[in-house]
Amino acid sequence: GESVGLHLPTLSVQEGDNSIINCAYSNSASDYFIWYKQESGKGPQFIIDIRSNMDKRQGQRVTVLLNKTVKHLSLQIAATQPGDSAVYFCAEITPSGNTPLVFGKGTRLSVIA
Amino acid sequence: GAGVSQSPSNKVTEKGKDVELRCDPISGHTALYWYRQSLGQGLEFLIYFQGNSAPDKSGLPSDRFSAERTGGSVSTLTIQRTQQEDSAVYLCASSLSPDKETQYFGPGTRLLVL
Repeated sequence: GESVGLHLPTLSVQEGDNSIINCAYSNSASDYFIWYKQESGKGPQFIIDIRSNMDKRQGQRVTVLLNKTVKHLSLQIAATQPGDSAVYFCAEITPSGNTPLVFGKGTRLSVIA
Repeated sequence: GAGVSQSPSNKVTEKGKDVELRCDPISGHTALYWYRQSLGQGLEFLIYFQGNSAPDKSGLPSDRFSAERTGGSVSTLTIQRTQQEDSAVYLCASSLSPDKETQYFGPGTRLLVL
């Protein structure tokens, strides 16, 4: 399949370990954030979202943390599995509208079996 | 249920030719977005449609790019006189409503301009 990004930051994690993927967002006025997972040759897939009135949200094996003070977002994946290997993007939306998501450049997660 | 679909999945064209890319959003989704993803890059916003409102074209890189959405559903992105730098994956997304709703993406069309 096609590579989504050849020169992205890469995080290599042993299967079963926890992964933490970080993202710095650009606009302090952004009030909605989403993490997407993109496997090779596929479109981005929604993982989890968080609104600015929260600082933590948990899903199944994933947790998103939001630090508005330093404009930082992180995605934690528990017990990382080979199927988690992908490029992960954070995206933000500003209050001015719903319109387009502003995406970070992405981080490639590589799970070592 | 059916997700966002895009066609063709791959398109190879010669420099200077026009191409049309199609997007079928999720049924009932009122908002539709086009993004471009170049190799090694993040996603770049191109254009956004919401219902019958005038589209937000602020992301279109040049006047060679245009898009329409017929009947509030299917959308077509047209690139005229393609250039090699247009080579990228073109992604379509839709959302249920415009108010901070999650955008769901299609698989993309991989465009290669020779």
